[in-house]
Amino acid sequence: QQPVQSPQAVILREGEDAVINCSSSKALYSVHWYRQKHGEAPVFLMILLKGGEQKGHEKISASFNEKKQQSSLYLTASQLSYSGTYFCGTERANQGGKLIFGQGTELSVKP
Amino acid sequence: NAGVTQTPKFRVLKTGQSMTLLCAQDMNHEYMYWYRQDPGMGLRLIHYSVGEGTTAKGEVPDGYNVSRLKKQNFLLGLESAAPSQTSVYFCASQLISRENQPQHFGDGTRLSIL
Repeated sequence: QQPVQSPQAVILREGEDAVINCSSSKALYSVHWYRQKHGEAPVFLMILLKGGEQKGHEKISASFNEKKQQSSLYLTASQLSYSGTYFCGTERANQGGKLIFGQGTELSVKP
Repeated sequence: NAGVTQTPKFRVLKTGQSMTLLCAQDMNHEYMYWYRQDPGMGLRLIHYSVGEGTTAKGEVPDGYNVSRLKKQNFLLGLESAAPSQTSVYFCASQLISRENQPQHFGDGTRLSIL
């Protein structure tokens, strides 16, 4: 079952913050986050494991709420380079590394 | 540092034609995946392989076949192309012998079926 991402799209000014959510109806083992720029391959950002662990990557961080089966990606003080489409990929227990991806959130950062 | 290489990068086919997309990885990864990406749909898993000589169906396998005769290569075949298979196809590989590893993606193949 495909996870649901929200919002579908967001427009920011440079320096503003944004939150992207990823929700699943199934119990999850981990959540992966990727960013894809137009015409390019998805690029890995980070993995969140069950247990509410929060991780960071430059000014991008994420959390995983195991009770709600929801992960949130936090982008602070956004830069032009953050523009792209963000995907979450959810992994269930005993699925190996197989991921089910959300539909994506398109982020545009304007000067 | 080649990583994951997909060939071809672009292709236009006529309905009913067949073709094979090649994915090659040089990272000695055990797992390999084929996805298709359509606007507003995200990445949908077509088939995957957990090792040489093994394949399994993903979410949208109909109309596609795969083979993994060598660990480094994963082939995706369209036997009789249909316009609904117009899409961008991505291959990915993943190291499984260590826990919690990311998937590494190729640059994609843009396929149009007329």
